[in-house]
Amino acid sequence: NAGVTQTPKFQVLKTGQSMTLQCAQDMNHEYMSWYRQDPGMGLRLIHYSVGAGITDQGEVPNGYNVSRSTTEDFPLRLLSAAPSQTSVYFCASSYIGFSPLHFGNGTRLTVT
Amino acid sequence: DAKTTQPNSMESNEEEPVHLPCNHSTISGTDYIHWYRQLPSQGPEYVIHGLTSNVNNRMASLAIAEDRKSSTLILHRATLRDAAVYYCILTSATDKLIFGTGTRLQVFP
Repeated sequence: NAGVTQTPKFQVLKTGQSMTLQCAQDMNHEYMSWYRQDPGMGLRLIHYSVGAGITDQGEVPNGYNVSRSTTEDFPLRLLSAAPSQTSVYFCASSYIGFSPLHFGNGTRLTVT
Repeated sequence: DAKTTQPNSMESNEEEPVHLPCNHSTISGTDYIHWYRQLPSQGPEYVIHGLTSNVNNRMASLAIAEDRKSSTLILHRATLRDAAVYYCILTSATDKLIFGTGTRLQVFP
C-alpha cells in the first residue's frame, strides 16, 4: 500500500510564483486535509474535504486554494507565493472525521 | 471548536513509565480523543484514540477521566525511540481537526 503520497518532497519558489502541491491516497478515504508546520511549531489546518466536490476552510486558508474532483486526489494550490508560506506541508486522510488520520511524508517549501 | 491543553515538554528516563496529560474541558459528547506523535523530521503518526472508556493497544494506553475533561497517554516503558512531540486532539462532528503545539517528550538513557 502506498498510503498517502505527497509530491514534490522539496520545492523552492520565488515570491509571486504559483505552484500546486500534490496529495494522493489509495485507501478510498473520504476525508482529506492539508496542514502546514512552521519550524518548532505545531500543525495548523489549511483546508479540508469530507468527500469529492466538498471542501472547507481550516485555521489558515488565506493564500491557498484546494479542489477535490476525485476521492483519491486533494491538490493544494499556492496562488502567489510569499516568504511567509515557507513551511513544511502535510497532507492527511482518513475514512471519516473520527477515524485515525494517515499522514504523508510532507513537502518542504521554501519561498525566497 | 473544542481545544486541548498540553504541557510544552516532559522528560523521562528510559524504561520508566510516562504519563502525558491533556486537558479538554470544553469537550462535547460526540468528540473522540485522539493522540498522535511526530518523530523528528517525520509526519505525525496515529497512536491511540478513545471516546469514554480506557483503551490499550501495542503502542500505549489511554486513560480518560470520568467527566471526559482530561485524558492521559501512558507509555508503559519509555524507549529512546519514543522521543517525539505528542499531540492530543479532539475529533468533532465538523471534521475540523485542530492540532495544538503538543508535548515534546525527551527520553534519557
